Amino acid sequence: DGGITQSPKYLFRKEGQNVTLSCEQNLNHDAMYWYRQDPGQGLRLIYYSQIVNDFQKGDIAEGYSVSREKKESFPLTVTSAQKNPTAFYLCASSPRTGAGDEQYFGPGTRLTVT
Amino acid sequence: GNSVTQMEGPVTLSEEAFLTINCTYTATGYPSLFWYVQYPGEGLQLLLKATKADDKGSNKGFEATYRKETTSFHLEKGSVQVSDSAVYFCALNAGNNRKLIWGLGTSLAVNP
Repeated sequence: DGGITQSPKYLFRKEGQNVTLSCEQNLNHDAMYWYRQDPGQGLRLIYYSQIVNDFQKGDIAEGYSVSREKKESFPLTVTSAQKNPTAFYLCASSPRTGAGDEQYFGPGTRLTVT
Repeated sequence: GNSVTQMEGPVTLSEEAFLTINCTYTATGYPSLFWYVQYPGEGLQLLLKATKADDKGSNKGFEATYRKETTSFHLEKGSVQVSDSAVYFCALNAGNNRKLIWGLGTSLAVNP
């Protein structure tokens, strides 16, 4: 089955530690995205990548970093510089350029930093 | 700039009631419009989409019509079920960089 895998589903870290969230897709999609979702709020775009070895900042990139070394993988690192990292993180992908192309989402990772 | 406005929730309905969740947008050009659904603790799933004016998207009994004259894409279902309880997001894609512009989501609770 094709899809997007995010692991782990729940992640706990101590304040001051960096943590990397995994996102893998086997849909052969060009574009990948990372979103953050907080309770009662919509989705906010952190980073996105339209092609391998290229990525752009979204609306809330501060305190986060990404890499896109392979088409199928787009890991997100939450650094200690992120002031409020506890949130639900969603990874998505889309197949190609065009306004009609929807995004496909993974199941999400819930990160708790204490 | 591009934006999406959804009606605020939560919306609470009884089973078999009629559902409308309003969504209006502001965009340049000719965006595509989407409705996504998020069940508790899960990622988002595409519910339906429309790519041009007067298109009607439909899926699982849900429908939405792309109305350019009113810049709207309201979600409707004739008879909701308890299993429809979820958060619904309206989104648009203006196509320039593949980014989706999201509404804040509307929580729906359906009681038996």
